[in-house]
Amino acid sequence: KAGVTQTPRYLIKTRGQQVTLSCSPISGHRSVSWYQQTPGQGLQFLFEYFSETQRNKGNFPGRFSGRQFSNSRSEMNVSTLELGDSALYLCASEGAGREAFFGQGTRLTVV
Amino acid sequence: AQSVTQLDSQVPVFEEAPVELRCNYSSSVSVYLFWYVQYPNQGLQLLLKYLSGSTLVESINGFEAEFNKSQTSFHLRKPSVHISDTAEYFCAVSILLEGYTGRRALTFGSGTRLQVQP
Repeated sequence: KAGVTQTPRYLIKTRGQQVTLSCSPISGHRSVSWYQQTPGQGLQFLFEYFSETQRNKGNFPGRFSGRQFSNSRSEMNVSTLELGDSALYLCASEGAGREAFFGQGTRLTVV
Repeated sequence: AQSVTQLDSQVPVFEEAPVELRCNYSSSVSVYLFWYVQYPNQGLQLLLKYLSGSTLVESINGFEAEFNKSQTSFHLRKPSVHISDTAEYFCAVSILLEGYTGRRALTFGSGTRLQVQP
């Protein structure tokens, strides 16, 4: 069974641009969550999608958005990028045992 | 709101010595507990989990953790560490938000960096 796949692995963007990150969950998993990881703030929850609906949301500005497709694949979008958005963005899908399975992440650098 | 506290940000230890990484959480409702490990430039990997039943849970690589409800703790231990255990370890707590949907929220601690020295 393939794991959680995130693309791209690395990304460099300029301030003010927007970016879209992609996540393919483990086959059969319907819940996908997104996290932002930075050295200063640690792991912070962005949002969770379940069956194409946002089920839970963290405390991030509206520049951060996401969606989930009918095949459970998910995308997150960040508009008007700021230097502080530089981070490792992790996607996770939830297994039957309630554990989260993580992808390898997308390292976003904003310059 | 629930919170997870990992008391030590870094734990240096010599190879073959025992180690304990501490984790406390604040929640009075039904909880699931997890430990994850993260190697450099990688995602998080599940190390072990407690959902119900025996309060002592073990991983395949020698780690164990014990759920202590009265102390709201889920400390991670290993009797003898190896160089390859050097990584960052995250404790996570999942609490039930809605009983009828089963919707839960997963909260992570700030992480503990385990540094195993030869």
